[in-house]
Amino acid sequence: DAGVTQSPTHLIKTRGQHVTLRCSPISGHKSVSWYQQVLGQGPQFIFQYYEKEERGRGNFPDRFSARQFPNYSSELNVNALLLGDSALYLCASSHAVGPLHFGNGTRLTVT
Amino acid sequence: DAKTTQPTSMDCAEGRAANLPCNHSTISGNEYVYWYRQIHSQGPQYIIHGLKNNETNEMASLIITEDRKSSTLILPHATLRDTAVYYCIDPDQTGANNLFFGTGTRLTVIP
Repeated sequence: DAGVTQSPTHLIKTRGQHVTLRCSPISGHKSVSWYQQVLGQGPQFIFQYYEKEERGRGNFPDRFSARQFPNYSSELNVNALLLGDSALYLCASSHAVGPLHFGNGTRLTVT
Repeated sequence: DAKTTQPTSMDCAEGRAANLPCNHSTISGNEYVYWYRQIHSQGPQYIIHGLKNNETNEMASLIITEDRKSSTLILPHATLRDTAVYYCIDPDQTGANNLFFGTGTRLTVIP
């Protein structure tokens, strides 16, 4: 079975631009979570979606938004990019409860 | 905010057992302790989780103290491929998939 897939793997954007990151969960998983990992730190929770509803939100500004589609895939959107948004963005899928299964992330560089 | 305490780094000789400690003194009675690891340039990988009893799977063993305030992850025969950052996680009490990763333990397996 395919694991969690994320696209693109790498991305370079300029300050002020907008970015959309995509995630396909493991088949059968209805929950998708997004994490941001800044270099040298552990991943930090951004959002969780379950059955297309937002179930949790971390301490991130409103520039960050997400949605989940009927096929359970998900998009993370970030507006008005700042240099500090440069990070590895991780998507994880799971059943309603249980361990998270992570993709290998999208490396975003903001210049 | 991370609710677990782990050593910053550890070394282990190849072929020997790696014992990674974690303090989670504020864990509540119905929360599982989860362990993940992150190999360089990859997303976190789920290893094992437990509530009260010791657990073992194909990757590792988890020993939880009777008072549940600490646990030890054991890799019985460490290999070079086990070099990674290991995270002990006490899930957020909100019930969402909001995992506080902290900075983990950087395990280096030495040939």
